[in-house]
Amino acid sequence: SSELTQDPAVSVALGQTVRITCQGDSLRSYYASWYQQKPGQAPVLVIYGKNNRPSGIPDRFSGSSSGNTASLTITGAQAEDEADYYCNSRDSSGNHLNWVFGGGTKLTVL
Amino acid sequence: EVQLVESGGGLVQPGGSLRLSCAASGFTVSSNYMSWVRQAPGKGLEWVSVIYSGGSTYYADSVKGRFTISRHNSKNTLYLQMNSLRAEDTAVYYCARGEDGYNYSAFDIWGQGTMVTVSS
Repeated sequence: SSELTQDPAVSVALGQTVRITCQGDSLRSYYASWYQQKPGQAPVLVIYGKNNRPSGIPDRFSGSSSGNTASLTITGAQAEDEADYYCNSRDSSGNHLNWVFGGGTKLTVL
Repeated sequence: EVQLVESGGGLVQPGGSLRLSCAASGFTVSSNYMSWVRQAPGKGLEWVSVIYSGGSTYYADSVKGRFTISRHNSKNTLYLQMNSLRAEDTAVYYCARGEDGYNYSAFDIWGQGTMVTVSS
């Protein structure tokens, strides 16, 4: 199976812009989906497809992709954005019927 | 309201079995593909299994041959039968609804999770 690689931790000053990246061969075939997870809570989908936000997700969250790298950008980070963020896509190494998650990035808002 | 509610977690001895349930409301589980995703304590998310609307099932290598995903259409409920449990299966287990689009696949609805602890 293929892998998705994320930086373990990233920090951002309140109100500034931060980019969280995800690398993997599967991202050459599929857009990444991004999930936010706060302590003790279930993951929440924040970005899917080329750059789509589910209802209720603030427009400060955006996604982009280039080659084997996907990025989640938070423009004007807020204190409530402090969380773990995971990328995910179908696994293109086999039958494309399985999924793979990145290891997660812990975002700290200073 | 679209919602998933898991149940069935608990403490089980190594080698034992457990069946998790995931009751859906606001949509039909047989109309979407549904997955189980787990998270070991302090660790990241790990995809476990999927059942497609047509009934096809697939598993992560780590659980293949030990876990079985199924659904009961009239109860609108997803299941995960876990046999030959190991300590490394200890995790919070989430069920999630899948959605496909142009070159993407996402899990748009998640349950609250149920904890499975494998220990003697």
